[in-house]
Amino acid sequence: AQSVTQLDSQVPVFEEAPVELRCNYSSSVSVYLFWYVQYPNQGLQLLLKYLSGSTLVKSINGFEAEFNKSQTSFHLRKPSVHISDTAEYFCAVVLSGGYNKLIFGAGTRLAVHP
Amino acid sequence: DTGVSQDPRHKITKRGQNVTFRCDPISEHNRLYWYRQTLGQGPEFLTYFQNEAQLEKSRLLSDRFSAERPKGSFSTLEIQRTEQGDSAMYLCASSLLDKNTGELFFGEGSRLTVL
Repeated sequence: AQSVTQLDSQVPVFEEAPVELRCNYSSSVSVYLFWYVQYPNQGLQLLLKYLSGSTLVKSINGFEAEFNKSQTSFHLRKPSVHISDTAEYFCAVVLSGGYNKLIFGAGTRLAVHP
Repeated sequence: DTGVSQDPRHKITKRGQNVTFRCDPISEHNRLYWYRQTLGQGPEFLTYFQNEAQLEKSRLLSDRFSAERPKGSFSTLEIQRTEQGDSAMYLCASSLLDKNTGELFFGEGSRLTVL
């Protein structure tokens, strides 16, 4: 069975500082990896995903994540955060070739302070 | 594209009452999922439909829970004889059959509070 561990439940950071949200997964078979974001009072939205190919994937708003198979990690990074990045971030996995049954981590609350 | 809509957004009920939530997926999406999210946790998979067929149910879905998707469009999730432990956000998501890319489109959720 697959599982996801998000190592930090909360990450406080000042505006314009860099941030890393950590995610490790466990699976004996090939998986796809995702980061979803949940802004206050909104639904979950896909931020970025790794399916295959380049291990570094990027979002349109400056986030990036790198798939590291040997360390079974998919950490999310941003070099300079904004107040508007304050949200809950969820790492998730799904079996490649499956039917999109996502397994989520517990989430990391990113709080960006001025 | 109107997105996934869920109704009601909030429901407060007394223990022992029945509640029903409705989900309208994105119109061309033939896969529909229900998840449950409690405070401080990530969403947990409950059940999955492909068109009108319910293909998987989590062990989290006790006998008091039932989900339907009668015409392969909207879906309902009913909880009978609610308990305080059922208090959670119930999330619905949808996706296309031929896109096994893991991208689910989520609604804003239905928050249940059982007193």
